[in-house]
Amino acid sequence: AQSVTQLGSHVSVSEGALVLLRCNYSSSVPPYLFWYVQYPNQGLQLLLKYTSAATLVKGINGFEAEFKKSETSFHLTKPSAHMSDAAEYFCAVSPDSNYQLIWGAGTKLIIKP
Amino acid sequence: DAGVTQSPTHLIKTRGQQVTLRCSPISGHKSVSWYQQVLGQGPQFIFQYYEKEERGRGNFPDRFSARQFPNYSSELNVNALLLGDSALYLCASSADRGLRSYEQYFGPGTRLTVT
Repeated sequence: AQSVTQLGSHVSVSEGALVLLRCNYSSSVPPYLFWYVQYPNQGLQLLLKYTSAATLVKGINGFEAEFKKSETSFHLTKPSAHMSDAAEYFCAVSPDSNYQLIWGAGTKLIIKP
Repeated sequence: DAGVTQSPTHLIKTRGQQVTLRCSPISGHKSVSWYQQVLGQGPQFIFQYYEKEERGRGNFPDRFSARQFPNYSSELNVNALLLGDSALYLCASSADRGLRSYEQYFGPGTRLTVT
């Protein structure tokens, strides 16, 4: 079965520091990969997506992610964290033509002043 | 442009009752998906509908059902509610063609509490 693993249920960084949120997937075929953000008591917002074009994908709010097939990874980064980045981040994969998304358990990003 | 809308925002039900949740997709989107998000976990896929036909179903019991209407809005029904059905229910819509169909746009969700 397809699966998505997000390493670390909570990640804490200082404001201005590098943000790195890890995502690994299992898929026998090249997948489509997504990062979503969820602010408290809100729905999910698409940050960025990988759809087999460029391996380095830029998203909204200064986030980017790099698809590494050899490592089956799609880690999310941001050079400088801002207080407004505090939220929960979900990695998701769409491995086949069913279009359904399979989700990781999420990583809560905490920003320290 | 209006995004995905869901109603109601919050709902409290008793075990054994039935509930109907509603979703209106983004204008022009013909596909609607439903997800269940239990507190502290990622969303779990329940259903996807496209052009009023079920296109996918997750690993949920038959107590869960859904339908899509000609205007592409959708309802999720859950019968014989259990305490474990307490969750945030998310609706997402997507375009109907090609890669854009993989981009799902989410509504704010309906918070269901079963007591």
